[in-house]
Amino acid sequence: NAGVTQTPKFQVLKTGQSMTLQCAQDMNHEYMSWYRQDPGMGLRLIHYSVGAGITDQGEVPNGYNVSRSTTEDFPLRLLSAAPSQTSVYFCASTKGQVSEAFFGQGTRLTVV
Amino acid sequence: DQQVKQNSPSLSVQEGRISILNCDYTNSMFDYFLWYKKYPAEGPTFLISISSIKDKNEDGRFTVFLNKSAKHLSLHIVPSQPGDSAVYFCAASAGGRTYKYIFGTGTRLKVLA
Repeated sequence: NAGVTQTPKFQVLKTGQSMTLQCAQDMNHEYMSWYRQDPGMGLRLIHYSVGAGITDQGEVPNGYNVSRSTTEDFPLRLLSAAPSQTSVYFCASTKGQVSEAFFGQGTRLTVV
Repeated sequence: DQQVKQNSPSLSVQEGRISILNCDYTNSMFDYFLWYKKYPAEGPTFLISISSIKDKNEDGRFTVFLNKSAKHLSLHIVPSQPGDSAVYFCAASAGGRTYKYIFGTGTRLKVLA
């Protein structure tokens, strides 16, 4: 059972480039979320989805897009990378309303 | 405005002693609280949770206490082991919205052998 799988683990982008961070879960969880972790700031919510076809913005959504065409996949798109998006990105899935979130291993992104 | 606060960035404890990690929150709508442990270069892993209808939850060496009137929760680890050395995050959600947890900034625990 793989749980939550994120790819890639590391990525370096130039300012202005675009890319997609992949996230897949095999637990049939309805809820999926993207967080970023920055030094001294904990994890902050970027976007979330409560089911296939349903997404919404979190605390820090600017510069990111998401879509959820299947229950399993929840990709995060950086439209035009900026140095301020240098961070560690975590994808998570949650089973229901009284449940912990299961996290992927993270993607460390550096924008130069 | 930070709704979940962990005011101690770091904590050192001797092996075998108790570790107490603290977390404060400001949003009275929070009704579900969790603690996560995070090792470097790994994702956070779930440790223990507590619902607002309880004031204590135990799982082996880990106990979480919730004081709703003070808007405070704490994680007790007894006895502490070197493998417990990690960053610990508390997180909270409201109204079943477990897709949008609010996290604290973390406390780095170091257990000294």
